Amino acid sequence: DGGITQSPKYLFRKEGQNVTLSCEQNLNHDAMYWYRQDPGQGLRLIYYSQIVNDFQKGDIAEGYSVSREKKESFPLTVTSAQKNPTAFYLCASSRTGSGWQETQYFGPGTRLLVL
Amino acid sequence: DAKTTQPNSMESNEEEPVHLPCNHSTISGTDYIHWYRQLPSQGPEYVIHGLTSNVNNRMASLAIAEDRKSSTLILHRATLRDAAVYYCIQDNYGQNFVFGPGTRLSVLP
Repeated sequence: DGGITQSPKYLFRKEGQNVTLSCEQNLNHDAMYWYRQDPGQGLRLIYYSQIVNDFQKGDIAEGYSVSREKKESFPLTVTSAQKNPTAFYLCASSRTGSGWQETQYFGPGTRLLVL
Repeated sequence: DAKTTQPNSMESNEEEPVHLPCNHSTISGTDYIHWYRQLPSQGPEYVIHGLTSNVNNRMASLAIAEDRKSSTLILHRATLRDAAVYYCIQDNYGQNFVFGPGTRLSVLP
């Protein structure tokens, strides 16, 4: 089955710790995205990547970092600089990143909690 | 920003049609309108999209106003599984898109 997987489903972070959220897709999509969702809010774009080895900041990139070394994988690191990381994190992909006319496919999400 | 406005919440009875409105007054001629929905604790899923003409698929219908400044997502017979947050998104070609807070649809048995 083709799709997007995110792991873990729940993640706990201690103060001052960096944590990495995994996102993998086997849809052969060029573009991948990371969003953050806070309770009762819409999604906000953190980072996106239109092609391997390239990525761009979204609206709320501060305190986050990404890499895109492989087409299938787009991990997100929540650094200690992110002061309010508790949220639901969603990864998505689309066939190309050339425009929003492409349907985006979302993973099941990772819920990050700060201890 | 390509922002849309939607009601915060709506209610429907099971088996009845639901009309979810969206205003996109800043839309340009080549912008598509997309609808996604998000069930609790899940990622959003695609529902439907369109440009000018009304569109139908197995999940829903999309009615787009003649001036394209508004659209309506139509669920023909609401079921309990349709209870979700519905997002209307204005395609802004080549730029980051915006998921607003959406409309929370409650379906009453």
